[in-house]
Amino acid sequence: NAGVTQTPKFRVLKTGQSMTLLCAQDMNHEYMYWYRQDPGMGLRLIHYSVGEGTTAKGEVPDGYNVSRLKKQNFLLGLESAAPSQTSVYFCASRSPRGPNQPQHFGDGTRLSIL
Amino acid sequence: QKEVEQDPGPLSVPEGAIVSLNCTYSNSAFQYFMWYRQYSRKGPELLMYTYSSGNKEDGRFTAQVDKSSKYISLFIRDSQPSDSATYLCAADTGGFKTIFGAGTRLFVKA
Repeated sequence: NAGVTQTPKFRVLKTGQSMTLLCAQDMNHEYMYWYRQDPGMGLRLIHYSVGEGTTAKGEVPDGYNVSRLKKQNFLLGLESAAPSQTSVYFCASRSPRGPNQPQHFGDGTRLSIL
Repeated sequence: QKEVEQDPGPLSVPEGAIVSLNCTYSNSAFQYFMWYRQYSRKGPELLMYTYSSGNKEDGRFTAQVDKSSKYISLFIRDSQPSDSATYLCAADTGGFKTIFGAGTRLFVKA
């Protein structure tokens, strides 16, 4: 039982390049989230999804797009990377059975934009 | 003002000390309060969960919520070097989104 798996673990991009971060969960969770974590800022929600085919904006959505074509996968795209998007990106999933259900996190993708 | 405020530390204590970690929040609609622990280069994992006001104890850990003062606390008794991590407080209204604090880095020295 892998839980939440993020790929890749590390990536270095040049300004203007595009890339997609993949999140996969095997817990059959309805809710999935993408966060970025920066020093002193904590976890900030980028986008989230409450089910297959649905997505919604979080706190810091600009410059990112997402897709949830399959229940188990949640993709985060950067169309034209900027140095301000250098961060650690975390994906999480959660059961909708109640707010006491914890979010399960992956181990992050460390992204540097030069 | 962020909805959940947390001092980022770092906090350094000797082994065996009692650790107190604290957060404040501003949204009165928050009903669910959590503490997540994050080890270096890992994702956060849920440590404690509390509904509304009150205390919850789990081994060496006690979570405390005071809704009248909008204060969230985590106490660690007999702290161990293995407790060295970043601790994130979080709050939830019961909807889709959880709001996280910035996290406090804790170092427990042997």
